[in-house]
Amino acid sequence: EPEVTQTPSHQVTQMGQEVILRCVPISNHLYFYWYRQILGQKVEFLVSFYNNEISEKSEIFDDQFSVERPDGSNFTLKIRSTKLEDSAMYFCASSLMGARSYNEQFFGPGTRLTVL
Amino acid sequence: AQSVTQPDIHITVSEGASLELRCNYSYGATPYLFWYVQSPGQGLQLLLKYFSGDTLVQGIKGFEAEFKRSQSSFNLRKPSVHWSDAAEYFCAVGGEQDKIIFGKGTRLHILP
Repeated sequence: EPEVTQTPSHQVTQMGQEVILRCVPISNHLYFYWYRQILGQKVEFLVSFYNNEISEKSEIFDDQFSVERPDGSNFTLKIRSTKLEDSAMYFCASSLMGARSYNEQFFGPGTRLTVL
Repeated sequence: AQSVTQPDIHITVSEGASLELRCNYSYGATPYLFWYVQSPGQGLQLLLKYFSGDTLVQGIKGFEAEFKRSQSSFNLRKPSVHWSDAAEYFCAVGGEQDKIIFGKGTRLHILP
């Protein structure tokens, strides 16, 4: 069964450093998402991406964050200058259509980011 | 705006007992509703979803959920839990936009 994959599974970085989290969505999916889950808290939407542009973003997704689909398979989340409060589990998801179109999102296993 | 409330942070049940996890949502139109399960250190796995039609939906691992519009609820049930069901369960709602909104989760503990 096709699945969303994410690398790395764990990332430790120093505050102020740039990190790139990588995701390979399900191959025929068109919509891509990033969510994050701070330890002990709920899963929060960060950004959705469709047709090579951001379709929606939350207030969390500020100028420090960016997303890119550099090729036909990868979907990346970059944090330019990490802060302590960026420490969280980051989930990538993909769907064939948008959530408003009766489509479920398939989630990857997550990347745990620890900012020291 | 959409929102999801899971009133129980922790639930403890004995193995073999029945389970009901509560979920209430706020949404103006007919929502799309989901239940996800997250085992420790794992990602999110979809248990079941409701988009339209029959208000009682069956999912994987013996779970079911019932959509009750009058109560704005989408409670998850299982007639007999197994120790492997110990995990965190998230109710989520979608429909207005492409994102889905998650509740804060209910952690399920199973007593042997």
